[in-house]
Amino acid sequence: DGGITQSPKYLFRKEGQNVTLSCEQNLNHDAMYWYRQDPGQGLRLIYYSQIVNDFQKGDIAEGYSVSREKKESFPLTVTSAQKNPTAFYLCASSIVTDSLRDQPQHFGDGTRLSIL
Amino acid sequence: ILNVEQSPQSLHVQEGDSTNFTCSFPSSNFYALHWYRWETAKSPEALFVMTLNGDEKKKGRISATLNTKEGYSYLYIKGSQPEDSATYLCAHQGGSEKLVFGKGTKLTVNP
Repeated sequence: DGGITQSPKYLFRKEGQNVTLSCEQNLNHDAMYWYRQDPGQGLRLIYYSQIVNDFQKGDIAEGYSVSREKKESFPLTVTSAQKNPTAFYLCASSIVTDSLRDQPQHFGDGTRLSIL
Repeated sequence: ILNVEQSPQSLHVQEGDSTNFTCSFPSSNFYALHWYRWETAKSPEALFVMTLNGDEKKKGRISATLNTKEGYSYLYIKGSQPEDSATYLCAHQGGSEKLVFGKGTKLTVNP
């Protein structure tokens, strides 16, 4: 079945360490996104990418980095510079063409990151 | 940062009740309004993407309307069932593929 796979489901990090969250999709979607959810907050966009080797900052990019070397993969690195990394992270993807911009996003199951 | 508001924050209804909730968004720089349903321990699932003022979409017992001039959308559920229990998210799409989400409405349907 086509879909988005996020791994791992739970992740623990010691303070001062970088950690990378995986997101892979086999939907052949051009665009991929990373969101963060905190209690009582809506989903907030961290980074997004509309094409391989290109990505843009979202609303809360500080302390995060991404890469998009392959269409299928969009890993998110939470760096030690992110002051409050404990949160639930969701990856999504969507079709993007000039005539199909109003397409829904498809989401993974998420990764819950906790600081030890 | 653009503000998308959803109300109520949470809602408890009895099985068989019909219910509705609201999503408010800035009417400027509007391209589309998305609705997603997010069940506990699952991934968010797209319900509707709406672009035209006055548009109404329906999927089974769930329907949505859109007013882009005044900046609101309503989601209706007719004859709620326990399996409708979920958080319903709306999101505003402006001039790019970026979405700005509201905080969601958490619906609990009691049997």
